[in-house]
Amino acid sequence: SYELTQPPSVSVSPGQTASISCSGEKLGDKNVSWYRQKPGQSPLLVIYRDNKRPSGVPARFSGSNSGNTATLTISGTQALDEADYSCQAWDNSIGFFGTGTRLTVL
Amino acid sequence: QVQLQESGPGLVKPSETLSLTCTVSGDSISIYYWSWIRQPPGKGLEWLGYIYHSGTTRYNPSLKSRVAISVDTSKNKFSLRLNSVTAADTAVYYCARLPGAGTFFDTWGQGTLVAVSS
Repeated sequence: SYELTQPPSVSVSPGQTASISCSGEKLGDKNVSWYRQKPGQSPLLVIYRDNKRPSGVPARFSGSNSGNTATLTISGTQALDEADYSCQAWDNSIGFFGTGTRLTVL
Repeated sequence: QVQLQESGPGLVKPSETLSLTCTVSGDSISIYYWSWIRQPPGKGLEWLGYIYHSGTTRYNPSLKSRVAISVDTSKNKFSLRLNSVTAADTAVYYCARLPGAGTFFDTWGQGTLVAVSS
């Protein structure tokens, strides 16, 4: 079974840059997507294919993926970015989600 | 704009079968791949499987053949069946759309909570 590991929590001050990591074996060889989930809501795609932003997602969201680690970066973090974030990838056609990270904007 | 809506019983007894349906509106089900994902209370997301309109399916092996996904193209719906449920299957169940197999989940339903309890 493939595992994607994320830090349980990340804190950031408003206006600063938040980075959320996602680690997995040879993750750089796979396409990674990222999802934001606010309390009581369904997940929302914010990054796909490592670094592509869906229409409507602010440009402050960006992604990278290399080696064993993918990273979601939120520049100029705003209070409304406070949420849970999960990475996702496929291994042998099976979908795996990361353990999830709670982003707190202090 | 495509919308997905889950429906089904909110309570299932242990050892019985969980059945949910996802109704797709605003787009044809015969274009994309369609998936089920669940999230136990306070925990992370778990992919259950996906289906294509042709009937091609792929499931998470961790469910040990308890899961089945079917599609009804005439009604623009797809369904989930999970048998022999236990309390560990209590979760919010989401349906979601994928542009292609092994891609990403670009549209999600609002989710439905299913509790397994006697």
